[in-house]
Amino acid sequence: GAVVSQHPSRVICKSGTSVKIECRSLDFQATTMFWYRQFPKQSLMLMATSNEGSKATYEQGVEKDKFLINHASLTLSTLTVTSAHPEDSSFYICSARVLDSTDTQYFGPGTRLTVL
Amino acid sequence: AQSVTQLGSHVSVSEGALVLLRCNYSSSVPPYLFWYVQYPNQGLQLLLKYTTGATLVKGINGFEAEFKKSETSFHLTKPSAHMSDAAEYFCAVTMGGYNKLIFGAGTRLAVHP
Repeated sequence: GAVVSQHPSRVICKSGTSVKIECRSLDFQATTMFWYRQFPKQSLMLMATSNEGSKATYEQGVEKDKFLINHASLTLSTLTVTSAHPEDSSFYICSARVLDSTDTQYFGPGTRLTVL
Repeated sequence: AQSVTQLGSHVSVSEGALVLLRCNYSSSVPPYLFWYVQYPNQGLQLLLKYTTGATLVKGINGFEAEFKKSETSFHLTKPSAHMSDAAEYFCAVTMGGYNKLIFGAGTRLAVHP
């Protein structure tokens, strides 16, 4: 149980285009999902908290107009990187929090974004 | 504020040897503590967690961790390392009550024959 999927696993795009990444909780409902960014050989950096049916909460320094988050259902959150540039190239990982009091997050397999 | 410190960014052990990955936390309230493992180009997999109750927690793949409040530690151990244990390990803490996870910097475990 507690499986989280991400799609696509890898994407290459041209500078200036937008890319959408999907995060799904496959066997549980998640009112809250998180989006992280990870640079090579570094820890995870929380970008935003996505709440079903409401606006996402962004961490300080993360551009909300650049990284659009939509959490339209209890099993799906999407991250859209708008007008992507090479500096947006990174590994993006989502997680979903189970509906109990333990704050346990289950992570997706990640999406490798390369912007040319 | 909460924080997590993982001592040793790189740990190298021989196959069959004891694995010890250190994690110390700072929290003003009783913490929830987690260990995750990350293999190359993959997401994080939950190894084990401590929320309440027994302080010695057993996880997957033969790993266990002990919550020591007096030492503010949650070290991860495995009696006998396997080659497949080579990965990046992250310790994380949260206060509970639907707060976000705070991650340590990670420890890269290498296992050599």
